[in-house]
Amino acid sequence: DAGVTQSPTHLIKTRGQQVTLRCSPISGHKSVSWYQQVLGQGPQFIFQYYEKEERGRGNFPDRFSARQFPNYSSELNVNALLLGDSALYLCASSSGTNSGNTIYFGEGSWLTVV
Amino acid sequence: AQSVTQLDSQVPVFEEAPVELRCNYSSSVSVYLFWYVQYPNQGLQLLLKYLSGSTLVKGINGFEAEFNKSQTSFHLRKPSVHISDTAEYFCAVNSPGASKIIFGSGTRLSIRP
Repeated sequence: DAGVTQSPTHLIKTRGQQVTLRCSPISGHKSVSWYQQVLGQGPQFIFQYYEKEERGRGNFPDRFSARQFPNYSSELNVNALLLGDSALYLCASSSGTNSGNTIYFGEGSWLTVV
Repeated sequence: AQSVTQLDSQVPVFEEAPVELRCNYSSSVSVYLFWYVQYPNQGLQLLLKYLSGSTLVKGINGFEAEFNKSQTSFHLRKPSVHISDTAEYFCAVNSPGASKIIFGSGTRLSIRP
């Protein structure tokens, strides 16, 4: 079975632009979470979605938004990009919202803002 | 609020030597604890997790960790490391009902032949 897949793997954007990152969870997984990993730091939680509803939001500005589709795939949108948004964006999926469930990470989307 | 502190940003060890990566956490509620590994240019992979029960947890690739509630620690150990263990290791915490996992800043394990 395929793992968590993310696209694109790498992209370069200019300050002020908007970006959309995509994630397909493991088949059967209904929960998707997004994390931002700045170089040299641990991942930071952005959002969790379950059954198309937002279940949790981290301490990120409103420029960050996400949604989950009926097939449980998800998109993360970032508007008005800043240089500080340059990071690895990780998507993770799990079968449910139980916080003890194992979550599986994709390989991430590397975003560079210039 | 919860937090995780990984006391060493880098740990160099010789191949076949034992290693311990240290992790301390802070939480006012009960915790679930995790160790993840990140190989270069890859996502994170779960090594092991503690939810409840035995405080000694065994994971993949020969790693184990011990939950110590009184010391609020969850140190990761391996008796004999291999070159292939070179990676970044992240300790993480969440709690029952929580939607987010809080990660430490990571420890880079480098193995010398």
